[in-house]
Amino acid sequence: AAGVIQSPRHLIKEKRETATLKCYPIPRHDTVYWYQQGPGQDPQFLISFYEKMQSDKGSIPDRFSAQQFSDYHSELNMSSLELGDSALYFCASSRQLGVSEAFFGQGTRLTVV
Amino acid sequence: SQQGEEDPQALSIQEGENATMNCSYKTSINNLQWYRQNSGRGLVHLILIRSNEREKHSGRLRVTLDTSKKSSSLLITASRAADTASYFCATERGGVGTASKLTFGTGTRLQVTL
Repeated sequence: AAGVIQSPRHLIKEKRETATLKCYPIPRHDTVYWYQQGPGQDPQFLISFYEKMQSDKGSIPDRFSAQQFSDYHSELNMSSLELGDSALYFCASSRQLGVSEAFFGQGTRLTVV
Repeated sequence: SQQGEEDPQALSIQEGENATMNCSYKTSINNLQWYRQNSGRGLVHLILIRSNEREKHSGRLRVTLDTSKKSSSLLITASRAADTASYFCATERGGVGTASKLTFGTGTRLQVTL
């Protein structure tokens, strides 16, 4: 069965650079979440989209933005990268949120040097 | 403070023993979910229990939910070395047709030794 696809799997950027992370949800899933997980930390919610509209916002820095496109894929754009942005970034998708579980991608490991 | 706080933070048991992890939360929820994460990998959904359910089973997993105490427990019976992972509870709010967010707890790191 198709899973959530994230790309790239690994990314190395320098401070002050920009990074774009992509997420392709499971077909027919209408909700996408983005999470950030620092080393040894629990996943922290960044932002979610329902039917291509931003739905909820968590602890997402102003330097980050995200959107969901007409084909339901989502992109997380991160600018002016800082060393502290180094983390695993997970995307998850679900269908009719509130009644079903979220399926997570394998994550993108971002390293800022 | 965390919406979902789990204890213990770390648990080490021998293969064949049972492992129990607890999760507490603060607000009303639609459902509570348990996820497993192997080191550096994605989270894998294990089981979902709705707010009107009290207990649910899936294979060697048993989940309980006490909404009056705002707590849940995950029991893994007859543990195996392959169960070694971090386990997170996540609470979900929001109504059908809207989106909200899963809020994750701090996780329990389970180590199962031979």
